[in-house]
Amino acid sequence: DAGVTQSPTHLIKTRGQQVTLRCSPKSGHDTVSWYQQALGQGPQFIFQYYEEEERQRGNFPDRFSGHQFPNYSSELNVNALLLGDSALYLCASRTGLDTQYFGPGTRLTVL
Amino acid sequence: GENVEQHPSTLSVQEGDSAVIKCTYSDSASNYFPWYKQELGKGPQLIIDIRSNVGEKKDQRIAVTLNKTAKHFSLHITETQPEDSAVYFCAASKRADKLIFGTGTRLQVFP
Repeated sequence: DAGVTQSPTHLIKTRGQQVTLRCSPKSGHDTVSWYQQALGQGPQFIFQYYEEEERQRGNFPDRFSGHQFPNYSSELNVNALLLGDSALYLCASRTGLDTQYFGPGTRLTVL
Repeated sequence: GENVEQHPSTLSVQEGDSAVIKCTYSDSASNYFPWYKQELGKGPQLIIDIRSNVGEKKDQRIAVTLNKTAKHFSLHITETQPEDSAVYFCAASKRADKLIFGTGTRLQVFP
């Protein structure tokens, strides 16, 4: 049984560019959340998707947007990248009120 | 706002000793408290969790205690081994989503 998978593993972009990160949830999970983890800090909640809709959002600007597909996979899009967007982006999945399981993350570097 | 404080930030122990990490949460409505272990270059891995209707939970060498009145919860690792070395994060949530993470504890177990 595959766990949460994310792609790509690493990504390098320049300021002002746009990026799309992808996540496939654990089998049987229908809810996907995205977190940003800056170096040396705990993960910060970005938003959560369920039934293809954004259900909750953390304190992140509108440059951060997402999407969930009918197969429950999800994308995170970040526009107009800033140096401060450099971080590890984590995807977590769950079903119901069950435990969240995290993927390995995508390391984004903005130059 | 919602906040989780975690101490200590670093912890060094001798193999076989016990390790204790403590967290305090601010939102009294929080009812779910997971602990994650994160190894270098990997996503957070759930090691144990506890819900507010339980005061203590144990899984082999790992235990978690919860004091709802004081809004404290702690992770206890007994008989530590070198492979326990990692960064540990506590988190709190009103439900099993939108996790609010602590700042992490870097645990080093010396052989």
